[in-house]
Amino acid sequence: DAGVTQSPTHLIKTRGQHVTLRCSPISGHKSVSWYQQVLGQGPQFIFQYYEKEERGRGNFPDRFSARQFPNYSSELNVNALLLGDSALYLCASSKDGTPYEQYFGPGTRLTVT
Amino acid sequence: GQNIDQPTEMTATEGAIVQINCTYQTSGFNGLFWYQQHAGEAPTFLSYNVLDGLEEKGRFSSFLSRSKGYSYLLLKELQMKDSASYLCAVRDTGGFKTIFGAGTRLFVKA
Repeated sequence: DAGVTQSPTHLIKTRGQHVTLRCSPISGHKSVSWYQQVLGQGPQFIFQYYEKEERGRGNFPDRFSARQFPNYSSELNVNALLLGDSALYLCASSKDGTPYEQYFGPGTRLTVT
Repeated sequence: GQNIDQPTEMTATEGAIVQINCTYQTSGFNGLFWYQQHAGEAPTFLSYNVLDGLEEKGRFSSFLSRSKGYSYLLLKELQMKDSASYLCAVRDTGGFKTIFGAGTRLFVKA
């Protein structure tokens, strides 16, 4: 079975621009979570979606938004990019919204210049 | 507040045993996870504890004490490939938010 997939792998953007990151969960998984990981730190929770509804949100500004589609794939959007948004963005899927191991995708490395 | 503490770095010898500690203070608790993350790669799931006690899975074991807000990951028969960061993470009460520690970088030397 295919694991969690994310696109693109790498991305370079300029300050002030907008970016959209995409994630496809493992087949049969209905929950997707997004994390930001800055080098040398643990992942920071951004959002969790389950059955197309937002179930949790971390301490990120409104510039960050996300949605989940009927096929359970998800997009993370970041507006008005700042240099500090440079990070690895990880998507993780799990079977449902209850506590269970989540499986991470390879991530999207975003560099903002 | 939400806080998860782990040692920043540890070094151990191939074939030895190492224990990585994690203490947490969170507003809610619905399970504790350990993940392994090699440099430049995504985290991979190692273990999940929701009740007090020890969970063993091959060379890896994880312990939880909810009353003490404490967990450890025990790695036995260390191999060079175990050199990685080990992340402790706590799920909140609703189960929708996972808080990660900064991770412990483990170096395994020959």
